Amino acid sequence: EAGVVQSPRYKIIEKKQPVAFWCNPISGHNTLYWYLQNLGQGPELLIRYENEEAVDDSQLPKDRFSAERLKGVDSTLKIQPAELGDSAVYLCASSGRMVDTQYFGPGTRLTVL
Amino acid sequence: AQKVTQAQTEISVVEKEDVTLDCVYETRDTTYYLFWYKQPPSGELVFLIRRNSFDEQNEISGRYSWNFQKSTSSFNFTITASQVVDSAVYFCALSEREAGSARQLTFGSGTQLTVLP
Repeated sequence: EAGVVQSPRYKIIEKKQPVAFWCNPISGHNTLYWYLQNLGQGPELLIRYENEEAVDDSQLPKDRFSAERLKGVDSTLKIQPAELGDSAVYLCASSGRMVDTQYFGPGTRLTVL
Repeated sequence: AQKVTQAQTEISVVEKEDVTLDCVYETRDTTYYLFWYKQPPSGELVFLIRRNSFDEQNEISGRYSWNFQKSTSSFNFTITASQVVDSAVYFCALSEREAGSARQLTFGSGTQLTVLP
């Protein structure tokens, strides 16, 4: 069974530029999560989807961050415009309907110059 | 609000030694899940174990074992006969359930384990 797929693995951009990250969850997993991980810290939730509905986006900085999961499968997280402080690893995870275990993708390491 | 504390920032051991990683959690819920994840240098978080709040039975799986004690709100993780490949950051995490739906994971700050040859 394929795991959570994320792309790109690495991204370097200049500040004020837009950037997008893509995630494809494990097949059949209806819950999808985006996490932010700063260096030396544990991941922190940005947004959680149940199918195509964002059920928890309270920690998403909505002035510059947006996300979508149009068909309830893959998802895109966007930052526009990027700031220096956005440099971090962006992790995607998914879980099944009645199982709370979250499985993570390899992450996208973003560097904003 | 839920909170997970991993007081050990870094641990170094020599190969074949046993090592225990500590985790203390706070939650007001009676139903919750506890997890351990491993993050090797490649960066991917690897799921190791999940325990629910009603299951205090401790378990041994190969070289890994877990000690869950609700009375002290602790969920410690032990590696027996450590190997160099065990070197990684280990995260303890807590998840509460809401109306049958899984909620976010709250992670500790992680413990960097280095196993020296």
